[in-house]
Amino acid sequence: QKEVEQDPGPLSVPEGAIVSLNCTYSNSAFQYFMWYRQYSRKGPELLMYTYSSGNKEDGRFTAQVDKSSKYISLFIRDSQPSDSATYLCAMTGGFKTIFGAGTRLFVKA
Amino acid sequence: DTGVSQDPRHKITKRGQNVTFRCDPISEHNRLYWYRQTLGQGPEFLTYFQNEAQLEKSRLLSDRFSAERPKGSFSTLEIQRTEQGDSAMYLCASSSSGSTNEQYFGPGTRLTVT
Repeated sequence: QKEVEQDPGPLSVPEGAIVSLNCTYSNSAFQYFMWYRQYSRKGPELLMYTYSSGNKEDGRFTAQVDKSSKYISLFIRDSQPSDSATYLCAMTGGFKTIFGAGTRLFVKA
Repeated sequence: DTGVSQDPRHKITKRGQNVTFRCDPISEHNRLYWYRQTLGQGPEFLTYFQNEAQLEKSRLLSDRFSAERPKGSFSTLEIQRTEQGDSAMYLCASSSSGSTNEQYFGPGTRLTVT
């Protein structure tokens, strides 16, 4: 079993839809949780960073962490074609960061 | 500051050749990481430096791989006797010391071994 599980998709939604992306993990030592966006053939770009259970909002993005269920989510409101990318969850309990495989998202105009 | 930079952006080499990649982290960051990413997968941790000290290496990093960070600034990743299985995107990231470990990535070096 992988330490971090993420559905690779692809996920296709119409413009303006609310997108929900999720990851589950098995290692309770993970303390910090991140979401990265990666466009094709580019490096990952840090979108959201959370520490504790609960919600964190930044513009159209909301990150949610449920440590009791070992489940994290990223919500994108009013999705735009420019949001089309691969979204990677990542988590760390120290210096070593474990990434999910990434979910490919397509937002259709 | 312009962020993390990597050079070259692309490298095509023949099997058996040696290659070296360079990473320049964000200037105030003392932590530097190397990752490898293959198609359809997330980045896989290779190694980690705090200042000039290499503190951890993944089992993925075989004896053909070596990384250095002299003087705690830029870092190099060398692959000796390249194999076709080494073809991947090699990503560098940096972060500042402290407990948060938010890592900022460079654009990556895409290696193709023919």
